[in-house]
Amino acid sequence: EDQVTQSPEALRLQEGESSSLNCSYTVSGLRGLFWYRQDPGKGPEFLFTLYSAGEEKEKERLKATLTKKESFLHITAPKPEDSATYLCAVQPNSGYSTLTFGKGTMLLVSP
Amino acid sequence: GAGVSQTPSNKVTEKGKYVELRCDPISGHTALYWYRQSLGQGPEFLIYFQGTGAADDSGLPNDRFFAVRPEGSVSTLKIQRTERGDSAVYLCASSSPSGGPNTGELFFGEGSRLTVL
Repeated sequence: EDQVTQSPEALRLQEGESSSLNCSYTVSGLRGLFWYRQDPGKGPEFLFTLYSAGEEKEKERLKATLTKKESFLHITAPKPEDSATYLCAVQPNSGYSTLTFGKGTMLLVSP
Repeated sequence: GAGVSQTPSNKVTEKGKYVELRCDPISGHTALYWYRQSLGQGPEFLIYFQGTGAADDSGLPNDRFFAVRPEGSVSTLKIQRTERGDSAVYLCASSSPSGGPNTGELFFGEGSRLTVL
């Protein structure tokens, strides 16, 4: 069974204080790993897709990296508007229509 | 340029009642997904449509749950004999033919919050 574990559950940062979120996964053949952002009361919003170990993707202050067992979402000099829950999901090679999500990391960036 | 639209945004019902939740996907998106999100949890897959047919319904928890997409656009999730454990936010997502299953890029609606008393 595919599993996704995210840590920490919650993270509080000061504006400008860089940090990383972790996503550990177990999947029978990884087709893709995805990061989503979810604001309170909203649906998840797509950020990145990573396909193979060593791959990196960047968007503004966010950079996602992938190894064979985990992915990191690095947040550089965060701003209060980066506050949200960040969700990690995996897609297996078989039955690839489904995404298995982790519980997310709730990030709060204080000014 | 409307996004995925879900109605109702909130639904409160009594245990044992029947509920329908509607999803209107982004125009041109052939793939449609239903997920369920409980408090403090990530979204949990329920069902995936490609066009009018359910390509994967392996996430439906039991036979009280059923979903249709008769014309390949709007979808309805139907829950019979609701139970308190069905309380959650039901999320709908759609994707383009080149996205979704290939890139994992799903466009989610804001969800329908179901509360079963």
